[in-house]
Amino acid sequence: EPEVTQTPSHQVTQMGQEVILRCVPISNHLYFYWYRQILGQKVEFLVSFYNNEISEKSEIFDDQFSVERPDGSNFTLKIRSTKLEDSAMYFCASSEGAGAYNEQFFGPGTRLTVL
Amino acid sequence: ELKVEQNPLFLSMQEGKNYTIYCNYSTTSDRLYWYRQDPGKSLESLFVLLSNGAVKQEGRLMASLDTKARLSTLHITAAVHDLSATYFCAVARGNTPLVFGKGTRLSVIA
Repeated sequence: EPEVTQTPSHQVTQMGQEVILRCVPISNHLYFYWYRQILGQKVEFLVSFYNNEISEKSEIFDDQFSVERPDGSNFTLKIRSTKLEDSAMYFCASSEGAGAYNEQFFGPGTRLTVL
Repeated sequence: ELKVEQNPLFLSMQEGKNYTIYCNYSTTSDRLYWYRQDPGKSLESLFVLLSNGAVKQEGRLMASLDTKARLSTLHITAAVHDLSATYFCAVARGNTPLVFGKGTRLSVIA
């Protein structure tokens, strides 16, 4: 069964460093998403991406964040200068289409720890 | 703005007992999802509820949706330890992103 994959599973970084989190969405999906979950809290939307453009972003997704689809398979989230409060689980998701009637499938997550 | 409220946030229940988790949302929705999350793991999709009166069951879990009341319930029957996890509801509306509740941390004890 096709699934969303993410690498690495755990990333430890120093405050101020850049990190890139990688995701491989399901191959025939066209819409891609990043969500964040701070430990013990709810899952929060960061950004959605379609046709090589950001289609929507939340207030959390500030100038420190960027997304890219560098090739036909990978979808990346970059944090330019990490802060302590960026420590969280980051989930990638993908869907065939946009909107409520297209289920999003979640990857296993990358746990980011900023020291 | 779409808001999703879950209660209770923490639930400790004995094996064999029944309980219900509630999910209220603030505006109309097109779909409602229930997810299970084990510690440090991803979100496992349990149920997708589309229309008013929808009821779905899988094993000891049953989910229902009342769109008029903007309420979904996740009912646990005869709980077993393996059901210990955090359960999230999430609401989808139009082209807006999924909005999650805060989750219910369920602990089933012997």
